[in-house]
Amino acid sequence: DAGITQSPRYKITETGRQVTLMCHQTWSHSYMFWYRQDLGHGLRLIYYSAAADITDKGEVPDGYVVSRSKTENFPLTLESATRSQTSVYFCASSPAGDTQYFGPGTRLTVL
Amino acid sequence: GDSVTQMEGPVTLSEEAFLTINCTYTATGYPSLFWYVQYPGEGLQLLLKATKADDKGSNKGFEATYRKETTSFHLEKGSVQVSDSAVYFCALSRGDYKLSFGAGTTVTVRA
Repeated sequence: DAGITQSPRYKITETGRQVTLMCHQTWSHSYMFWYRQDLGHGLRLIYYSAAADITDKGEVPDGYVVSRSKTENFPLTLESATRSQTSVYFCASSPAGDTQYFGPGTRLTVL
Repeated sequence: GDSVTQMEGPVTLSEEAFLTINCTYTATGYPSLFWYVQYPGEGLQLLLKATKADDKGSNKGFEATYRKETTSFHLEKGSVQVSDSAVYFCALSRGDYKLSFGAGTTVTVRA
């Protein structure tokens, strides 16, 4: 189906483990983004990408790694998960960087 | 830096009531302004946007006017329905492809 998808939708992991959240879009949008949503903070940008092989840090990048080898995929990796990374993670894409289209989110719990 | 301030919720209304959610911003230059809506269990969807002063964005009965003199972008709807229950986010973009979000306002409409 066309659109933007995220997997898994729910994930429980333990402190110190590596976790990868997947994001896939079928529109061939140039821009892709990762946000985390925490109560009282709205959404905060973690990383973004303007095109394949071009990524840059957002507001809260520490503890996260991204890559973008293909236009349609933008995985987010937590190299060593911490409890403070418990959150809901949203991926978004945009054809030109202005209006963004969001995925359904991944709820991550770090025990 | 850029910031967006929204009225705190939660907001509880009866059907057919008038809804206003206040949003003010701080940014240099002339940002684009957005309202996104998040229904329970879903990702964010663009509700409306305005790209320059005095522009009015509208969609699904919602309206917001870009007021540069008061740096505001208040969201209004004249007669809400139960299906309007959601979290509403105000956001801005300065054309650098990144969105800055407010904390979100939870709206519950009772039948």
